[in-house]
Amino acid sequence: NAGVMQNPRHLVRRRGQEARLRCSPVKGHSHVYWYRQLPEEGLKFMVYLQKENIIDESGMPKERFSAEFPKEGPSILRIQQVVRGDSAAYFCASSPDREAYGYTFGSGTRLTVV
Amino acid sequence: LAKTTQPISMDSYEGQEVNITCSHNNIATNDYITWYQQFPSQGPRFIIQGYKTKVTNEVASLFIPADRKSSTLSLPRVSLSDTAVYYCLVGPTGTASKLTFGTGTRLQVML
Repeated sequence: NAGVMQNPRHLVRRRGQEARLRCSPVKGHSHVYWYRQLPEEGLKFMVYLQKENIIDESGMPKERFSAEFPKEGPSILRIQQVVRGDSAAYFCASSPDREAYGYTFGSGTRLTVV
Repeated sequence: LAKTTQPISMDSYEGQEVNITCSHNNIATNDYITWYQQFPSQGPRFIIQGYKTKVTNEVASLFIPADRKSSTLSLPRVSLSDTAVYYCLVGPTGTASKLTFGTGTRLQVML
């Protein structure tokens, strides 16, 4: 049973381009969480989604960032018109329910904006 | 939100027991204490979670005193592969947005 799969592992984008990060949760998990980690810092919560619904996006920047978790397929974190400050590691986690006993994290996508 | 304080770094030798303490003075009644481990270039891995007293699993033990204002993660007989960053999180279950990963404790295990 595969864990949380994130792709790509590394992504390089020029300023102004769009970045699309994909996350396939653990099979059977319907709750997905996205976090961002800047170098030498802890993870910061961005958004929590359940199939087809955004439950909590209190950590998402108001502009350029969006997330979805469609009925079929992976969850997508989209960053439009990327800037250098978006360079970070983006982690996705999943859980079988809201009250889960710990989340399962993926290995992350390292975004570099040049 | 309960703020946590843990040592920035710790060193140990293989075979020793390592205890990492986390302070959370303003922990709320419905808050749980959860520890994660993170290796370089990987996502955090859930280690253990507890509410009070002592919890033990195949990886670690978690000791929580009666006042719950601190907790101690105990790693028995560490090996080189336990070198990682360890995060202490405090918050109610089901509230991912309330969980704050601080800078963690960087554990270095040496031969």
